[in-house]
Amino acid sequence: GDSVTQTEGPVTLSEGTSLTVNCSYETKQYPTLFWYVQYPGEGPQLLFKVPKANEKGSSRGFEATYNKEATSFHLQKASVQESDSAVYYCALRDRGSALGRLHFGAGTQLIVIP
Amino acid sequence: DAGVTQTPRHEVAEKGQTIILKCEPVSGHNDLFWYRQTKIQGLELLSYFRSKSLMEDGGAFKDRFKAEMLNSSFSTLKIQPTEPKDSAVYLCASSSTGGNQAPLFGEGTRLSVL
Repeated sequence: GDSVTQTEGPVTLSEGTSLTVNCSYETKQYPTLFWYVQYPGEGPQLLFKVPKANEKGSSRGFEATYNKEATSFHLQKASVQESDSAVYYCALRDRGSALGRLHFGAGTQLIVIP
Repeated sequence: DAGVTQTPRHEVAEKGQTIILKCEPVSGHNDLFWYRQTKIQGLELLSYFRSKSLMEDGGAFKDRFKAEMLNSSFSTLKIQPTEPKDSAVYLCASSSTGGNQAPLFGEGTRLSVL
């Protein structure tokens, strides 16, 4: 079945340093890939999505490239801020399947120290 | 635009009680998901509806969890009877049909079972 594996957290960084959260996926289909972010007391919210291989998604300084050959979708940010502290989820959704549910990774908690 | 609305935001139940959680999806969305979120297990799919038809349910949750879509604008999740291990955040999400659509999440219901 489909699965998503991402960097185990928590990840603790100082403000101004760079971030990489690794995400790898397994599927027999051709998925759309997503990054969601969740703040305390809220539901996950979409950070961005990328439907096509070799394309990049970005939002709020975060970016990730859909690498179909490596089955990866790593999240990066050049300089994190304290307000980026949250849990980040990588997810996939199969476009060709009749069952179109989201498959989530386990989530990576990011803690940014001022 | 109205997002996904979940009620109540918090629920406290005694062991053995029946509780019903409610979700109003975004108007026009045909796909609806119920997830359970815990720190240990992360996001687990409970049920997935497409155009009010049940497409998938989480096998481990079948015996005491029942989700229904009474109409296209309202869904309920019944837990009967509740157990302390059911303490978690229950999230509802909706989207347009299509594997490249990003489900939009509600803020969740935090359930505590004593």
